[in-house]
Amino acid sequence: EPEVTQTPSHQVTQMGQEVILRCVPISNHLYFYWYRQILGQKVEFLVSFYNNEISEKSEIFDDQFSVERPDGSNFTLKIRSTKLEDSAMYFCASRPYNYEQYFGPGTRLTVT
Amino acid sequence: AQSVTQLGSHVSVSEGALVLLRCNYSSSVPPYLFWYVQYPNQGLQLLLKYTTGATLVKGINGFEAEFKKSETSFHLTKPSAHMSDAAEYFCAVSASGSAQKLVFGQGTRLTINP
Repeated sequence: EPEVTQTPSHQVTQMGQEVILRCVPISNHLYFYWYRQILGQKVEFLVSFYNNEISEKSEIFDDQFSVERPDGSNFTLKIRSTKLEDSAMYFCASRPYNYEQYFGPGTRLTVT
Repeated sequence: AQSVTQLGSHVSVSEGALVLLRCNYSSSVPPYLFWYVQYPNQGLQLLLKYTTGATLVKGINGFEAEFKKSETSFHLTKPSAHMSDAAEYFCAVSASGSAQKLVFGQGTRLTINP
């Protein structure tokens, strides 16, 4: 069964450094998402991406964040200058035209 | 704006007992409703969803949920708990439209006692 994959599974970085989290959505899916889950808190929407542009973003998704779909398969989330509060589990999701979003296993980002 | 409230951050039941996880939502438009399960150190897996039609929906692993518009609820149930059901459960709502972002509840950690 097709699945969303994410790399790396765990990323440790120093405050102020740039990180890129990578996702490979399910082939033929049209909509792509990033969510994050700070330890012990709810899963929060960051951004959605469709037709090579951002379709919606949350207030969390400020100028430090960017997304890109550089080729036909990868979908990346970049954080330009990481802060301690960016430490979280980041989930990528994709969906076809209908309602169901398929989630990847997540990347745990630790900012020290 | 949409929101989800899950009553009870922790629920503990005995193996073989009924599982009931509560979810109430707020939505200004007809909602799409979902339950996801998260096992330790894993991602989110869809248990079931309600979009339109029959209000009682059945999902994987013997779970089901009933959409009750009058109560703005979408509670998750399973008649007989199994040890493997121990996990974190998230209720989520989305609205129709192109983005269909998910708004999640705080989650309920389900513990199964032998």
